[in-house]
Amino acid sequence: AQTVTQSQPEMSVQEAETVTLSCTYDTSESDYYLFWYKQPPSRQMILVIRQEAYKQQNATENRFSVNFQKAAKSFSLKISDSQLGDAAMYFCAYRSAAAGNKLTFGGGTRVLVKP
Amino acid sequence: ETGVTQTPRHLVMGMTNKKSLKCEQHLGHNAMYWYKQSAKKPLELMFVYNFKEQTENNSVPSRFSPECPNSSHLFLHLHTLQPEDSALYLCASSQAGTVDSNEQFFGPGTRLTVL
Repeated sequence: AQTVTQSQPEMSVQEAETVTLSCTYDTSESDYYLFWYKQPPSRQMILVIRQEAYKQQNATENRFSVNFQKAAKSFSLKISDSQLGDAAMYFCAYRSAAAGNKLTFGGGTRVLVKP
Repeated sequence: ETGVTQTPRHLVMGMTNKKSLKCEQHLGHNAMYWYKQSAKKPLELMFVYNFKEQTENNSVPSRFSPECPNSSHLFLHLHTLQPEDSALYLCASSQAGTVDSNEQFFGPGTRLTVL
């Protein structure tokens, strides 16, 4: 079974600075998708960024970018120019391309942004 | 209403009560999900419905009974719960069966407390 590990329970970043969240996963498959979801204190989870495993180019969405290392099974999220609104729980998730639409989530990393 | 809505947002119930959680998606999706989010644990997938048919039951105790009357509505019927069932219950939806079928949209959740 696939597992997703986020080794940092909490990260703190100064406003306008950069923070990187780590995520590793375990799978024997070659075709899959990886996601970062954000859950602000209001609890509505939203998708931040996603990466298809077959794409070598790292995904980027405005201030959010990933470092996808397929061989190392690593998928880190970089938040640049951090803003107060970035404070939230961030979850890394994995979905097999062959196993329907089931998502496996990591334990989450809480990001605190200091003004 | 837009996106995915859930009612009630908060629920307190005794172990002998029967209650239901409701989820409605306004996105035209054909797949819906129930997740359990407990403190200090990863999100746990409970049930998946595709085209109103249950396709995944992640070994959930029978005191949780899902119902999907149509592709827009999903219920979670609760009876004889235990205090350890206290958690945030999240509903999500997605459009399964297409190339871009891998984004799940989440509702705000129902915070359940079992006394």
